[in-house]
Amino acid sequence: GAVVSQHPSWVICKSGTSVKIECRSLDFQATTMFWYRQFPKQSLMLMATSNEGSKATYEQGVEKDKFLINHASLTLSTLTVTSAHPEDSSFYICSARRDENTIYFGEGSWLTVV
Amino acid sequence: QKEVEQDPGPLSVPEGAIVSLNCTYSNSAFQYFMWYRQYSRKGPELLMYTYSSGNKEDGRFTAQVDKSSKYISLFIRDSQPSDSATYLCAMSRINSGYALNFGKGTSLLVTP
Repeated sequence: GAVVSQHPSWVICKSGTSVKIECRSLDFQATTMFWYRQFPKQSLMLMATSNEGSKATYEQGVEKDKFLINHASLTLSTLTVTSAHPEDSSFYICSARRDENTIYFGEGSWLTVV
Repeated sequence: QKEVEQDPGPLSVPEGAIVSLNCTYSNSAFQYFMWYRQYSRKGPELLMYTYSSGNKEDGRFTAQVDKSSKYISLFIRDSQPSDSATYLCAMSRINSGYALNFGKGTSLLVTP
């Protein structure tokens, strides 16, 4: 079964609104979680690294004020897309690091901004 | 030059064939190497990981890492239609917090 749960799987929102996506590690504590974005037929692009209890580290070109990441507990990280626009429509995937060898991915969240 | 290069395919093989998937990389600091399988509209599923150069086998899957050539491979024996998916290579290094760098993924179709 899934070891990383991501919710919601699908979300449609109006332009200008905010959307929150949750990522939970189900049977292990994850001090580090990662958020990726994947466009159709493209690979996963790392957006940010989320460390429990500290600020997220964003990749170059990712707006930290637009993509708010909170890692308040060892099993939960959230990504909030603020003031969403149609170009933010994408497949967002989180992953959680169990150890240096093992990183599990959530099922992903499809965001459509209309 | 991208850090991880992977031929996107598509690759089409008949059922029962041996499939070879490959990635090259440019950063010698990568230490952990993984292969993920991703079905359409789903999150990636971890298939195998390796740490050092050499081979690792798990059922029908064999992963190879050649650090001297900066080249990794995944072999699938006795391929099945259910193996049809996109296969992503990924690698990480300690000083990036183990964040994964992905290849573009190779689309594989196994025909009955």
